[in-house]
Amino acid sequence: SYELTQPPSVSVSPGQTASITCSGDKLGDKYACWYQQKPGQSPVVVIYQDNKRPSGIPERFSGSNSGNTATLTISGTQAMDEADYYCQAWDSSTVVFGGGTKLTVL
Amino acid sequence: QLQLQESGPGLVKPSETLSLTCTVSGGSISSSSYYWGWIRQPPGKGLEWIGSIYYSGSTYYNPSLKSRVTISVDTSKNQFSLKLSSVTAADTAVYYCARLAIAAAGNGWFDPWGQGTLVTVSS
Repeated sequence: SYELTQPPSVSVSPGQTASITCSGDKLGDKYACWYQQKPGQSPVVVIYQDNKRPSGIPERFSGSNSGNTATLTISGTQAMDEADYYCQAWDSSTVVFGGGTKLTVL
Repeated sequence: QLQLQESGPGLVKPSETLSLTCTVSGGSISSSSYYWGWIRQPPGKGLEWIGSIYYSGSTYYNPSLKSRVTISVDTSKNQFSLKLSSVTAADTAVYYCARLAIAAAGNGWFDPWGQGTLVTVSS
């Protein structure tokens, strides 16, 4: 079965750029999206179709996908961005989630 | 705006069937642009896709759960439902329903999500 691999944790200082990766076999040939989940809340999509931002998502969130890796980039990271982030893609009509990355802003 | 709300028992006994319903408000479940899905999250763990359904009844299931899962839709009530049979403690999780936007084959994302409901499997 297809697998997406994320680092368990990433740390970033306020105002700096955070990059969260998601790796999978030929992931660049698929579409990736990203969800943000804060404690006690439901996930919210922050990037879809590799690099598109839904309305209401700040411009500091961006995405890319090439080769075997999709990347979520948060520029000028703020304390409010501290959360768990999950990547998601499709493989053979099935939905696959990455294991999640805890972003700490310190 | 579209809202989704999960409902169902919060406690299920081992070996029994877990049943949940998602009620969609603020929009039609019969929209041609969307599927509808169930996702779960065990306490302290990551997200796991369970399956998705189109308003016509067409379904896709997670292969690892397929033998135990049935997802159905009731367009007259604007609802879709999940049944998971032969549950064990490993099925204890927060269960979310969500709308699945499909741009093309292999290109879809969940938005929005319901608030989630915790289902505990215990005797």
